[in-house]
Amino acid sequence: AQSVAQPEDQVNVAEGNPLTVKCTYSVSGNPYLFWYVQYPNRGLQFLLKYITGDNLVKGSYGFEAEFNKSQTSFHLKKPSALVSDSALYFCAVRDNFNKFYFGSGTKLNVKP
Amino acid sequence: NAGVTQTPKFQVLKTGQSMTLQCAQDMNHEYMSWYRQDPGMGLRLIHYSVGAGITDQGEVPNGYNVSRSTTEDFPLRLLSAAPSQTSVYFCASSYSTAGNTEAFFGQGTRLTVV
Repeated sequence: AQSVAQPEDQVNVAEGNPLTVKCTYSVSGNPYLFWYVQYPNRGLQFLLKYITGDNLVKGSYGFEAEFNKSQTSFHLKKPSALVSDSALYFCAVRDNFNKFYFGSGTKLNVKP
Repeated sequence: NAGVTQTPKFQVLKTGQSMTLQCAQDMNHEYMSWYRQDPGMGLRLIHYSVGAGITDQGEVPNGYNVSRSTTEDFPLRLLSAAPSQTSVYFCASSYSTAGNTEAFFGQGTRLTVV
């Protein structure tokens, strides 16, 4: 069965510092991995995805994610955090049977 | 393009009442799905559809019905609402059923069952 885990309920970082939001996955077959962001009272917005190829994936708003097959991880990163990055972040995996599996979410707090 | 549109945005139901959450997309997407979001549990798949006339169950289908008579619309029906169905509901669509395609989400419907 496919699954993802986000081990941190909350991540706190100061504005201007680098940020990392962690995600590990368990899949059979090729992993299709995604990151989404949710702002308060809004739907989820797509940030980036890993399909195959380069292990460093670049996405929207300056975010990137590093795929590590040996550690089964897909951590979200940004070199310099903004206060406006404060939101709820979800990692997800999609299987070839049309289902997405989401992590429990990580709340990112960026303080001025 | 409007993308994925959900109505209503908020709803309060009494236990035992029925209602339909509406979802429409204008992107000609094959795949549509419904999720519920509960604190600390991420999003859980309720039902999904790979095209008009085809639906299937997700992780938590009990208490919910769906149908897909057109490509654009995918309504979610609660036949007899229960307090355990208090949640935020999201509809999503993607242009392909392939695993490497992302989903686009609606703004959500916040449902309270009292």
